[in-house]
Amino acid sequence: DAMVIQNPRYQVTQFGKPVTLSCSQTLNHNVMYWYQQKSSQAPKLLFHYYDKDFNNEADTPDNFQSRRPNTSFCFLDIRSPGLGDAAMYLCATSVLQGVSTDTQYFGPGTRLTVL
Amino acid sequence: QKEVEQNSGPLSVPEGAIASLNCTYSDRGSQSFFWYRQYSGKSPELIMFIYSNGDKEDGRFTAQLNKASQYVSLLIRDSQPSDSATYLCAVNRSNDYKLSFGAGTTVTVRA
Repeated sequence: DAMVIQNPRYQVTQFGKPVTLSCSQTLNHNVMYWYQQKSSQAPKLLFHYYDKDFNNEADTPDNFQSRRPNTSFCFLDIRSPGLGDAAMYLCATSVLQGVSTDTQYFGPGTRLTVL
Repeated sequence: QKEVEQNSGPLSVPEGAIASLNCTYSDRGSQSFFWYRQYSGKSPELIMFIYSNGDKEDGRFTAQLNKASQYVSLLIRDSQPSDSATYLCAVNRSNDYKLSFGAGTTVTVRA
């Protein structure tokens, strides 16, 4: 089945220790998104890629970086995690940006704990 | 004003009843509206989307859209305990078509 996969599902890191989260997709979608979701809050868009074009949200901290080496994979790097970065990180994909009916499909998420 | 607002709940309904969830949005140019279901500790799962004013039915779910009032709702008929989850309303942004999410309404279906 075509799907969005995230690894690891659970990640524990220490304060200030860099961490990388992974997302892959078999849907062959153009666009990949990274969201941060804290408990009882709405998912917050961090950035997205349209093919290789990177688009950062204005309020995404510099501590968060992303890489998309090919169509299938996208990585979220947190350079120096703080306690406030503990959250669920969601990867989503969609077929085409800029189309009003574009639909996003989510992976299972990675739960990040910062000690 | 938040871009997308939902009643946080919890909304408690007996099994077999209708659950009614509401969502309002601020971007008058939004054209696409989505409902996602999110079980505790899991990722959002798309239930349905609606683009045109009126009702759209899919199984036990009905989405209703009123663009003039900037209002979208979701009805869950014959509610089951498995419907107990948080329901997220998402609206596309007219300037770039990315999604703005509400914080969700938590629904509990009592057996």
